[in-house]
Amino acid sequence: SQQGEEDPQALSIQEGENATMNCSYKTSINNLQWYRQNSGRGLVHLILIRSNEREKHSGRLRVTLDTSKKSSSLLITASRAADTASYFCATVLAQNFVFGPGTRLSVLP
Amino acid sequence: DTAVSQTPKYLVTQMGNDKSIKCEQNLGHDTMYWYKQDSKKFLKIMFSYNNKELIINETVPNRFSPKSPDKAHLNLHINSLELGDSAVYFCASSPTGLAGDLNIQYFGAGTRLSVL
Repeated sequence: SQQGEEDPQALSIQEGENATMNCSYKTSINNLQWYRQNSGRGLVHLILIRSNEREKHSGRLRVTLDTSKKSSSLLITASRAADTASYFCATVLAQNFVFGPGTRLSVLP
Repeated sequence: DTAVSQTPKYLVTQMGNDKSIKCEQNLGHDTMYWYKQDSKKFLKIMFSYNNKELIINETVPNRFSPKSPDKAHLNLHINSLELGDSAVYFCASSPTGLAGDLNIQYFGAGTRLSVL
């Protein structure tokens, strides 16, 4: 069963716009992580947010965590064509590292 | 230097064959993993090794077997390949095990396996 589920499944925006992706999970967590995967490549870790944190920033990335709603969001501000990729949230569930199905982001020039 | 490297990048083989994928990490991490990503991009953990001990064995067929000669290597052996094994297989490592606070995954570039 999936622990993390992202929405939307696909998102298409213009360069310069902001992109928001959401992730929901089912059980209590220690931390939640976001990863990016460019086409044909491995996943790259973007940001980790701990269960006692509500918001975290890294460059143009902003992640929020709402443990009461069991949800997280990833905001990419001022998007660039190079941000085109799939984005996954991931958490630990029953000794497994579980990834959501991902959001495919397309940033159009 | 590549942190997590896996070979080969592409693997095309016939049904019924036995094949191996190699993985090495030079990060000094304690734990290594194998993941399978299907055609819909869904990523699922297969195995993890911590200090040469298998600590997770997700419900994968026993045709798949991980082999770790040392902390820096975790190879994946697949026997009697089937059409459904076609996927991209990723190796990864993390500084700690999954229960630790440093369970950030560092991924290799993937091996695309095609079974004909």
